[in-house]
Amino acid sequence: DTAVSQTPKYLVTQMGNDKSIKCEQNLGHDTMYWYKQDSKKFLKIMFSYNNKELIINETVPNRFSPKSPDKAHLNLHINSLELGDSAVYFCASSQVGGALYGYTFGSGTRLTVV
Amino acid sequence: GDSVTQMEGPVTLSEEAFLTINCTYTATGYPSLFWYVQYPGEGLQLLLKATKADDKGSNKGFEATYRKETTSFHLEKGSVQVSDSAVYFCALSGRRGFGNEKLTFGTGTRLTIIP
Repeated sequence: DTAVSQTPKYLVTQMGNDKSIKCEQNLGHDTMYWYKQDSKKFLKIMFSYNNKELIINETVPNRFSPKSPDKAHLNLHINSLELGDSAVYFCASSQVGGALYGYTFGSGTRLTVV
Repeated sequence: GDSVTQMEGPVTLSEEAFLTINCTYTATGYPSLFWYVQYPGEGLQLLLKATKADDKGSNKGFEATYRKETTSFHLEKGSVQVSDSAVYFCALSGRRGFGNEKLTFGTGTRLTIIP
């Protein structure tokens, strides 16, 4: 069983489109995250949710909107896609106290905007 | 704010060589420290972690010791294999509770092992 699963794995779309990436975890964790990895492999947090409540919202454009229907799911919707949004997006989860127990990552979604 | 400085890559070694990837950090309080590994085309996997000063994390022959006095968490392996070729990320997480914790990553070090 996959612990943190993301769909789709690859996403190619045109500028201006709206797209969503889905994430699900079956670890029973309370906290979920979205990270962005740019073309130079640099990883940066975008959002965190704890039990469906938004906790961390880094300086991300308003075009990015996370949604957590329940604590096992965290989806990322992106409006009006731009070329600069091309990246690999990783979902992650942790128990409350991720600093002590660690964080589990999904396999990533490679988004290419053309 | 929190930051992680990691040895610039790429690093190329011969099989069975000794590996060190340097990592230093800046953080308030007492963060936990992690090494994550990303194999080609895959996601991030936790390699090892340490949650307090002088702790040693170890896994798959890799080791790193949490040194508070030098704010460092260097990754070492005594004899690398071709299968260790990957990108290695040092990261820290402060303890703030209830989802307010996050990983701050270094820039990653690409390691290539030559047979």
